[in-house]
Amino acid sequence: GAGVSQSPSNKVTEKGKDVELRCDPISGHTALYWYRQSLGQGLEFLIYFQGNSAPDKSGLPSDRFSAERTGGSVSTLTIQRTQQEDSAVYLCASSLRRRGEETQYFGPGTRLLVL
Amino acid sequence: GQQLNQSPQSMFIQEGEDVSMNCTSSSIFNTWLWYKQDPGEGPVLLIALYKAGELTSNGRLTAQFGITRKDSFLNISASIPSDVGIYFCAGPPGGGSEKLVFGKGTKLTVNP
Repeated sequence: GAGVSQSPSNKVTEKGKDVELRCDPISGHTALYWYRQSLGQGLEFLIYFQGNSAPDKSGLPSDRFSAERTGGSVSTLTIQRTQQEDSAVYLCASSLRRRGEETQYFGPGTRLLVL
Repeated sequence: GQQLNQSPQSMFIQEGEDVSMNCTSSSIFNTWLWYKQDPGEGPVLLIALYKAGELTSNGRLTAQFGITRKDSFLNISASIPSDVGIYFCAGPPGGGSEKLVFGKGTKLTVNP
C-alpha cells in the first residue's frame, strides 16, 4: 500500500518497561509528525521531522519520550519507563511539505496500553 | 498554547438529516482543516480552508472559514450511515510551527 503504516497496531506493556513504536511514512514525503490521542480527546502534537533539519520536539511531554528518523524515512518513537498515563493511541503522519501539498496523511496508529 | 473549541461534543441524528458543527479559537488561524476519523483508523482530511470567508464543498460536505479567522463551520447535508465517525477541526498555530492543533472532536451517530 502507498499509505502511512505503523507497527505494532496494538501494544500492551507493564509499567516501567520501555516501548518502541514504528512509523513508515509515504515514500517521498519529507515531513513526519507524531501525535498522541488519549481516549475521547483530540490529537496532541508530539514531534515533527522535516528533511535534515533539527526536529521540533516542543510537544514531547517528558524526557522519557524520544524519537528518531533514520535516513529521512522510517521513524521510531521510544517511551522509556512507561507510565499508565502514557496509554493512548500514537499516530504518525507524513506530508510533502511543499506549497500547495501540505496535507498530513495519517497512519492507523498504535494503541498503547500500560498496565 | 492555542486551543480549538469544538461543538457539539456529540450528535445523534436520523439518516437524511443535515448536520452542522463548529470550531472556535481565541486566536487567529490562517488555515482551517476538517478531518474525519473512523474507528481504528487515523484521521482523513475532508476539507482544507485557506482564506477568510472561504466556502468550500466536498460532495455533501461544506465548510466555511470564518471572517474573523477565529472560527470555522462544517455542514453535512442529507446524512447517511457511513457519515458516522468523529469529526475534528484542526489548524497550524502559526509562528513558523508545522504542527497541527486539533479540537476534541464531534462524535456523529447516524440512525438508519
